[in-house]
Amino acid sequence: KNQVEQSPQSLIILEGKNCTLQCNYTVSPFSNLRWYKQDTGRGPVSLTIMTFSENTKSNGRYTATLDADTKQSSLHITASQLSDSASYICVVSAEKAAGNKLTFGGGTRVLVKP
Amino acid sequence: DAGITQSPRHKVTETGTPVTLRCHQTENHRYMYWYRQDPGHGLRLIHYSYGVKDTDKGEVSDGYSVSRSKTEDFLLTLESATSSQTSVYFCAISEGQGVYEQYFGPGTRLTVT
Repeated sequence: KNQVEQSPQSLIILEGKNCTLQCNYTVSPFSNLRWYKQDTGRGPVSLTIMTFSENTKSNGRYTATLDADTKQSSLHITASQLSDSASYICVVSAEKAAGNKLTFGGGTRVLVKP
Repeated sequence: DAGITQSPRHKVTETGTPVTLRCHQTENHRYMYWYRQDPGHGLRLIHYSYGVKDTDKGEVSDGYSVSRSKTEDFLLTLESATSSQTSVYFCAISEGQGVYEQYFGPGTRLTVT
């Protein structure tokens, strides 16, 4: 069964500090991995999409890494801001999945404190 | 929210009543999706559409039906709402398959009492 597991479930960091979120997946055959940011009460917004051949991708202060061999990804947030408080969701797509089916992780809730 | 609107944004209904949620897009994207999001679960696909009048089931389709009569509108119907269908429902759109972005709407919070 395709699964995506994220850790930690939640974390609190001080403004200006860095943090790293983890994602492990068992989706096969792998097509791509995405990280989404979801603010409270809003829909998810894409941060990055990575395919098998990409092992790092950045979007501003967000940097995602992918190790397709170990089926792990991480999302690093640099110099956190209060606006980074949100849930971060790791999403994996299988190749030729019917309906572009995405397998979603449960998310990591990040709270940035001043 | 990438030209996607959902209506209503909030709804409270009673068990056994039919409910229809609407998703409207202005992007002319081919694919449209309905997901539900519940605590302890990642988003789960209910139904999706790959063109006008072309729809298929997702992983949690029981108790739900959909229709797409125009490119821009995708309707989700709960034929007889149950308390287990209390959830937040998200519509999403994408231009194509594979590495295409999926853009999500703002969500509809549905409570079935």
